[in-house]
Amino acid sequence: QSVLTQPPSASGTPGQRVIISCSGSSSDIGSNSVNWFQQLPGTAPKLLIHSDNQRHSGVPDRFSGSRSGTSASLAISGLQSEDEADYYCAAWDGSLHAWVFGGGTKVTVL
Amino acid sequence: EVQLVESGGGLVQPGGSLRLSCAASGFAFSSYEMNWVRQAPGKGLEWISYISSSGSLIYYADSVKGRFAISRDNTKNSLFLDLNSLRAEDTAVYRCARDSGSGDDPIVDLWGQGTLVTVSP
Repeated sequence: QSVLTQPPSASGTPGQRVIISCSGSSSDIGSNSVNWFQQLPGTAPKLLIHSDNQRHSGVPDRFSGSRSGTSASLAISGLQSEDEADYYCAAWDGSLHAWVFGGGTKVTVL
Repeated sequence: EVQLVESGGGLVQPGGSLRLSCAASGFAFSSYEMNWVRQAPGKGLEWISYISSSGSLIYYADSVKGRFAISRDNTKNSLFLDLNSLRAEDTAVYRCARDSGSGDDPIVDLWGQGTLVTVSP
């Protein structure tokens, strides 16, 4: 069972906006910034968002992140077929001295 | 090119051992903290170990503590993970990942493609 809680799936039609939530605790998201990763089938994860809301180099501005309290969210605006992937949130847990991940959300473009 | 390349995976029997390597290139390896993250087949990401840039600070997930050992050789731009007392549940793709940022704003900004470890009789 993952430390951070994400919905297992999300979907939308092309052009729609999809939001993925990520819930944690005071020792992880409540204390440290959140990273979001995209994992396309059969490939390594890639950093999408760091520092809660900063897009990594080369990431389209359709992707945005936010954090409030012990929760964070990733929004994908103008959903495209190439956005079909698994998305993971992660944060450093200062009490566990560990990176903690969400269980992943599979995004399907209908 | 900035990259991380893992090697050393394979098929090993339960109770066996393996050493994984991660070769870094294109950046100042000795300046970065590093991690190992694994992913069981069809499952999510699981962090298993962290090492500071100098190697003086090390952390492990409870699931591998006492069985796995992380180390690095900054003169060879290499990261290692020694896997001992392997169990079937350790079967996964193991990836090294670079940790940038600092303090309360850490960033995992670079991942290797991974090496598959299969633990089976």
